[in-house]
Amino acid sequence: SAVISQKPSRDICQRGTSLTIQCQVDSQVTMMFWYRQQPGQSLTLIATANQGSEATYESGFVIDKFPISRPNLTFSTLTVSNMSPEDSSIYLCSGGETGPSNYGYTFGSGTRLTVV
Amino acid sequence: GIQVEQSPPDLILQEGANSTLRCNFSDSVNNLQWFHQNPWGQLINLFYIPSGTKQNGRLSATTVATERYSLLYISSSQTTDSGVYFCAVGRRGSTLGRLYFGRGTQLTVWP
Repeated sequence: SAVISQKPSRDICQRGTSLTIQCQVDSQVTMMFWYRQQPGQSLTLIATANQGSEATYESGFVIDKFPISRPNLTFSTLTVSNMSPEDSSIYLCSGGETGPSNYGYTFGSGTRLTVV
Repeated sequence: GIQVEQSPPDLILQEGANSTLRCNFSDSVNNLQWFHQNPWGQLINLFYIPSGTKQNGRLSATTVATERYSLLYISSSQTTDSGVYFCAVGRRGSTLGRLYFGRGTQLTVWP
């Protein structure tokens, strides 16, 4: 299964600033996703990162707030823009293949973001 | 989307005890995974199990796709098993491949 390296692991940011989170996969994967996990909650899908084209965003998430890049099949970034304390969450990237697979999707180690 | 319900929401065990976690889902799936989220927030893939039974050490999982449920068994629990266990599914026929997550089971194992 794919191994995903995510950074930074944590950050404390001032409101109004932006943070870019990076995920690097050790092999080419068709699918990459970005999730948000608010304190004490389950994971919520932000968007599907599409290689070479605009990401597909879920309801409630917009490109201006969460711009995503995916220049190739092993790398993606998520930017959290114009941050407010409500953006304090764990952000996780995930990758893998669609269709029959022995392993399914794996996750990066997460970025714990605190906005002050 | 597809609804994923996990039970129980919380579970407290003494070290050495066995437990069963359940995941019900509302539609046909082509992907079902069990994850363990440790206290540091890292999400570990335990099983990819859209059907059938798998075992890995003290953990095993069974999915009965026709009845739309999956079970995760933890035997001889250890304090390091503590954390949140998530069930996540991918809907059959979906070309997007995304996972839908349950709310999780918070497991606490006391020494």
